[in-house]
Formats: sequence, C-alpha cells, structure tokens
Amino acid sequence: LAKTTQPISMDSYEGQEVNITCSHNNIATNDYITWYQQFPSQGPRFIIQGYKTKVTNEVASLFIPADRKSSTLSLPRVSLSDTAVYYCLVVGAAGNKLTFGGGTRVLVKP
Amino acid sequence: DADVTQTPRNRITKTGKRIMLECSQTKGHDRMYWYRQDPGLGLRLIYYSFDVKDINKGEISDGYSVSRQAQAKFSLSLESAIPNQTALYFCATGTGASDTQYFGPGTRLTVL
Repeated sequence: LAKTTQPISMDSYEGQEVNITCSHNNIATNDYITWYQQFPSQGPRFIIQGYKTKVTNEVASLFIPADRKSSTLSLPRVSLSDTAVYYCLVVGAAGNKLTFGGGTRVLVKP
Repeated sequence: DADVTQTPRNRITKTGKRIMLECSQTKGHDRMYWYRQDPGLGLRLIYYSFDVKDINKGEISDGYSVSRQAQAKFSLSLESAIPNQTALYFCATGTGASDTQYFGPGTRLTVL
C-alpha cells in the first residue's frame, strides 16, 4: 500500500497561497493522487485528483512531478473558511488502497 | 450533500447493546464504504463493498459487521457495542477508475 506523509499543521493568513506537500514514495503505476477537505464534524469532501503533471479546478491546483513520489496541493488566496483538515490519498483503481492519514490541519488567520 | 444520507445522526447506547447504522445513497454508485474517525485522527476503513454481492473487510473490521441490502443501501452493525467504539462513523460511495468518494454527514455514536 502506498503510504502518504504530509505535515501535521500549517498556518496562513487570508489572501495568501497555501501549499501542502504530500510524499508517497511507494506509489504504484495505476495509482491516482486525491485530496480531500474536512471540516469539523463533517464528512470529507473531494477537492482534486490527478495522475501526473498539473491539474487545476475552481478550488485548487495539484502539482505532480514526473517521478510522482510527491504532490503539492495549492490553495490560492485562502479565506477563513478554508480552515480545515486536508488529506492526501493515493488511490488504486481497485479502490481498496484507501488510507486516510492524519491529514494537515490548515489554520487561516485574519 | 443529500446524495448520501446516514441514520441516525447521533446515538447514545450502552455497552453490550446491538446497534445498526444505516446508509443510503441516490448517486447510483456501486461502491460503498464505512469508516470511523476518532478525535483528532484520520479516517479508518471498516468495511467496503464493490457491489451487492461483494463485501470486504477493511483495516479495523473486528467487532463490526455489514449488510449490503441493495445497491443504494449499506448498513453497519455493532453486535455488542463497547466503549472504545465511541466515534464518528462515515459512510461513503465511490465511483470511477480512480474511486472518487462522496461522504455522508456522519453518525456520532457514544457507547457508555
């Protein structure tokens, strides 16, 4: 199973860009990299997913280098409402490599 | 997201009681999952099902059982609840080759 490692917490300020890097050294050829956001007492919410290079949607960007051993979630111009826990997952097509680590607690300050 | 619903939302029970948590989805997804989350920790997979006839254990299945009554329904049972099963329980559905998952609102279970 591809284990992920990400920072425990990060602080930022409103309007800044937040970058969270996740390491997944044992990622397999068919694995995807997926990020979820979770607010207290709510279920995780899908943010973005990628396989290689760069993916961008209305919420975030995901940068994946060629070796795919890490990935970086980028949240542009964060607001207070972006304060949450962000989880990096490596997911295989079989769907059974679902391991949520401790995630990264992002605190956005005024 | 009302596409995945869980009942009850909160439950307090006593040690030794049998408890059933229910999950329903209107997303039409074949895959369904049960997770538990303990305070300050990430989610851990209890059971998952890829279709009605397929049930698989996750990393922490001891003390739990599941039933996939239909594509849209996946229930989790605690046959004899114990205090260390006090946690927040999430149901999720999954779809696609990369298994994007959609979570329900959670059930907060307290075992006294």
